[in-house]
Amino acid sequence: AQSVTQLGSHVSVSEGALVLLRCNYSSSVPPYLFWYVQYPNQGLQLLLKYTTGATLVKGINGFEAEFKKSETSFHLTKPSAHMSDAAEYFCAVIASGGSYIPTFGRGTSLIVHP
Amino acid sequence: DAGVTQSPTHLIKTRGQQVTLRCSPKSGHDTVSWYQQALGQGPQFIFQYYEEEERQRGNFPDRFSGHQFPNYSSELNVNALLLGDSALYLCASSPGRQVAEQFFGPGTRLTVL
Repeated sequence: AQSVTQLGSHVSVSEGALVLLRCNYSSSVPPYLFWYVQYPNQGLQLLLKYTTGATLVKGINGFEAEFKKSETSFHLTKPSAHMSDAAEYFCAVIASGGSYIPTFGRGTSLIVHP
Repeated sequence: DAGVTQSPTHLIKTRGQQVTLRCSPKSGHDTVSWYQQALGQGPQFIFQYYEEEERQRGNFPDRFSGHQFPNYSSELNVNALLLGDSALYLCASSPGRQVAEQFFGPGTRLTVL
């Protein structure tokens, strides 16, 4: 079985500050890991994904995440927050070689203050 | 490419009624998955359709059923609606069953009164 824990249901930062959204996963096999963003009243948009290879993954809108197997983590970062980054962020895990159905975390709401 | 489209955008029903939601996958995609996203929660997998058959199912009761058409579009049907069925219903498509990345539609917001 696989699971995802997102630490912090809300994260508040000032515009220009570092963004750090935490995600820890549980998987009995090598995982595929994803970060999605959801703006109000919209569907999910893929920010970035890790399948194999380089553990530091760069995504859209200046976001990146690092897969750390020893810590079972896949935290999302952005050096400088913009007001437009305010949204809900979801981490998801797929157990490779399994059903390819993602398990999502409960989400973290990013609030950006001017 | 229009991406994944869903209809309707919003829907209001009363308890006990039945509802049908529709999804058209991204061009070139043959696999459709449905998710329920309750307020303040992450999406929960309902089921997946491939080659017009339900291939995988999450932990949802039989009141939730679906269909996939030869053009790969899909419907989600929910019978005997409960207040707890109020949620955003998301459709996602992928170019095959064993593909990690799914593309999501904007969702249908269902409110059950």
